[in-house]
Amino acid sequence: DVKVTQSSRYLVKRTGEKVFLECVQDMDHENMFWYRQDPGLGLRLIYFSYDVKMKEKGDIPEGYSVSREKKERFSLILESASTNQTSMYLCASSFRAGVHSGVETQYFGPGTRLLVL
Amino acid sequence: AQSVTQLGSHVSVSEGALVLLRCNYSSSVPPYLFWYVQYPNQGLQLLLKYTSAATLVKGINGFEAEFKKSETSFHLTKPSAHMSDAAEYFCAVRPTGANSKLTFGKGITLSVRP
Repeated sequence: DVKVTQSSRYLVKRTGEKVFLECVQDMDHENMFWYRQDPGLGLRLIYFSYDVKMKEKGDIPEGYSVSREKKERFSLILESASTNQTSMYLCASSFRAGVHSGVETQYFGPGTRLLVL
Repeated sequence: AQSVTQLGSHVSVSEGALVLLRCNYSSSVPPYLFWYVQYPNQGLQLLLKYTSAATLVKGINGFEAEFKKSETSFHLTKPSAHMSDAAEYFCAVRPTGANSKLTFGKGITLSVRP
């Protein structure tokens, strides 16, 4: 079974703090993704990575950065947390399937619920 | 840009009744389409996906969806709802081609009444 784990289920931080959210997958997937989930807005893509040390901006990258130093690990960083970053953060991973690229399934972690006070 | 519309935010059905969750996409070229489910306090898991091989797609837990190009729809159905189906359901679309991004709908919460 594919396993995607996230470092914390719940996190409470203060405004202005630097926050690290960690994600690890154990299936040797090339692709990794960070989403945030908000009621009524669905999932929105923050950043994604198709390989080690590679990153691309998603739809809402402002206020976030990422790091991918190892294939299995993808970190989301909030440089200076703000209250509008209170949300559920979901990490996902998938194979990069070559000629079938686009049909591969994304596997999700359980999520980190972040509260910024 | 690709987009997906899920009308309504909440659907309530009785146990044993038909489940119908609607999804419409906007794209000039048929994309790949997915339905994901999120049970309380869990991440998302794939229910089924359309990859142009067959228009009627069967997924896990008795769910299926039919791709209708003329209606740009990919509605999710299940003949008989079970209490364990209560969850949030997301439709998602991805253009064909390498490194294309997945775009999610806003999600629909399904409640099942005893």
